[in-house]
Amino acid sequence: LAKTTQPISMDSYEGQEVNITCSHNNIATNDYITWYQQFPSQGPRFIIQGYKTKVTNEVASLFIPADRKSSTLSLPRVSLSDTAVYYCLVGRDDKIIFGKGTRLHILP
Amino acid sequence: GAVVSQHPSWVICKSGTSVKIECRSLDFQATTMFWYRQFPKQSLMLMATSNEGSKATYEQGVEKDKFLINHASLTLSTLTVTSAHPEDSSFYICSARTTRGQGPETQYFGPGTRLLVL
Repeated sequence: LAKTTQPISMDSYEGQEVNITCSHNNIATNDYITWYQQFPSQGPRFIIQGYKTKVTNEVASLFIPADRKSSTLSLPRVSLSDTAVYYCLVGRDDKIIFGKGTRLHILP
Repeated sequence: GAVVSQHPSWVICKSGTSVKIECRSLDFQATTMFWYRQFPKQSLMLMATSNEGSKATYEQGVEKDKFLINHASLTLSTLTVTSAHPEDSSFYICSARTTRGQGPETQYFGPGTRLLVL
């Protein structure tokens, strides 16, 4: 499974767009990139998944450059309720191995 | 989306007792379920992978005789913490993989069970 590197923490303000970048230099050809969100004392929740270029859903966008060695999760107009830990995962295996994640703190 | 439940949501027990945690996929069949443990301010750590009708596969460093996993049906997996001690206090989370599809997207996580061993 490809190792991922994310910022440990980020702060932003309500209404701002937040971009969290994840590095995955040894991503394999068949690997997908997936982001999960976790609130305190809850299980992780699937946000978005992509393979290349750009993916958008009702919650977020995922930007993946051509070399796929990194990806950026974009959260538009964040609110206080977006305060959570965000995990970037790379792979295609059945198992999900979580990295340390990014602790996002939204300020009023 | 698919729903995974866990029961109980929290449990307090005395040291030396055993605790059973249930993980159910409510609206889909899961041939594979996973058990994670999470300590405060830390990431999730995969403990084991359980496949319906077969023995669980444990990650390195996880004691299989202490953490008994049973996956008797396509909708239920149980984790039993035997002879629990205070260091076993943690947040236990299960996930279930649907029988269709490929990739991590098809894994759905339960709400977690908080275990406190006194």
